[in-house]
Amino acid sequence: DIQMTQSPSSLSASVGNRVAITCRASQTISNFLSWYQQKPGKAPKLLIHAASSLRSGVPSRFSGSGSGTDFTLTISNLQPEDFATYYCQQSYSPPYTFGPGTRLEIK
Amino acid sequence: EEQLLESGGGLVQPGGSLRLSCAASGFTFSNFAMSWVRQAPGKGLEWVSAITGSGGSTYYADSVTGRFTISRDNSKNTLYLQMDTLRVEDTAVYYCAQDLAAGGLDYWGQGTLVTVSS
Repeated sequence: DIQMTQSPSSLSASVGNRVAITCRASQTISNFLSWYQQKPGKAPKLLIHAASSLRSGVPSRFSGSGSGTDFTLTISNLQPEDFATYYCQQSYSPPYTFGPGTRLEIK
Repeated sequence: EEQLLESGGGLVQPGGSLRLSCAASGFTFSNFAMSWVRQAPGKGLEWVSAITGSGGSTYYADSVTGRFTISRDNSKNTLYLQMDTLRVEDTAVYYCAQDLAAGGLDYWGQGTLVTVSS
């Protein structure tokens, strides 16, 4: 099975800042990598698929990059509504594992 | 508008069974693979199972293989998850989600809570 790791596990930042969350796969997954945002008590929301394709309706301050085993989610100009937990997921090979999550908190 | 609505959650004793349903609307259900994802209280997301649009292929997490069965009825636009031999560690909110062909889980239901406890 492919293992997914994320760093950092938590992050404090201020409104207007730029942050980056990294995700690493235990083996190559090409670009079969998605990013999700989840707020407490809510279902996850797909932000980015295929490593760098922004889902329709997602603000352009979110961007994704990477290929192979190393991926990055970057959020520019943080807004109050961006404080949430972020997960990566590989869809290269089942089981389609998620990363453990990164909690983004307001500083 | 695409919608997914889970049902069937509840309290069950260890070793018991439960069947979850996910009613889909607003899209051509048979055109999309579907997945189940769960989240234990205070924990992260765990992918559980997936099924292709035709239902011809199914996939499972190691933690549920042999105990859970995913299926679908395209005539009823409904996805199912039959959960047998339930364990305390299966306690979680279970979400159904629509798979994008290019990867990623696009539309999600609101989730249904399964509690396994004596």
